[in-house]
Amino acid sequence: GNSVTQMEGPVTLSEEAFLTINCTYTATGYPSLFWYVQYPGEGLQLLLKATKADDKGSNKGFEATYRKETTSFHLEKGSVQVSDSAVYFCASLHGEGGADGLTFGKGTHLIIQP
Amino acid sequence: DTGVSQDPRHKITKRGQNVTFRCDPISEHNRLYWYRQTLGQGPEFLTYFQNEAQLEKSRLLSDRFSAERPKGSFSTLEIQRTEQGDSAMYLCASSLDTLLGPQHFGDGTRLSIL
Repeated sequence: GNSVTQMEGPVTLSEEAFLTINCTYTATGYPSLFWYVQYPGEGLQLLLKATKADDKGSNKGFEATYRKETTSFHLEKGSVQVSDSAVYFCASLHGEGGADGLTFGKGTHLIIQP
Repeated sequence: DTGVSQDPRHKITKRGQNVTFRCDPISEHNRLYWYRQTLGQGPEFLTYFQNEAQLEKSRLLSDRFSAERPKGSFSTLEIQRTEQGDSAMYLCASSLDTLLGPQHFGDGTRLSIL
């Protein structure tokens, strides 16, 4: 079946550090790829998405590029802030018309220290 | 845009009881999804509706679980004869009827089985 693997946390960084959270997916067809974020006490929010190979999704200073050759969608940010502390989920959407639902990774807890 | 609304936010019940959750999607969204999330894991897909039709069900959805979307608007998820293992966060998401579009999540209903 479909699966998404992302690096385990917690990931602890200092403010203004460079962030990478790795994500790989199983390649059945050509899924859409997403990063969702869950801030403390809040629901899942869409952070960014990419729908085809070589697409780059970006939002709030975060970026991720859909790499078909490595089946990856790594999340990056050049300079993190304390407010970026949250749990980040990588997800893929397969199936005709999205009927299979999103497949999520286990989530990566990011902690940014001042 | 009022977002996806779920009710109740929390439900505590004794093992063996039946529970029902409600989800109100974003008004123009005709796709609706249910997911379950346990601690330390990403959400897992349960079922999917397009308008009032339930088009997909995960093998996670045992025969104790039933979901409806009678008029293609709100949806209900019922769990009969609850078990300890049903304790989780139940998430609802909705999306537009576009190919592989992003899903917008509600804040979830947290179910605790005593």
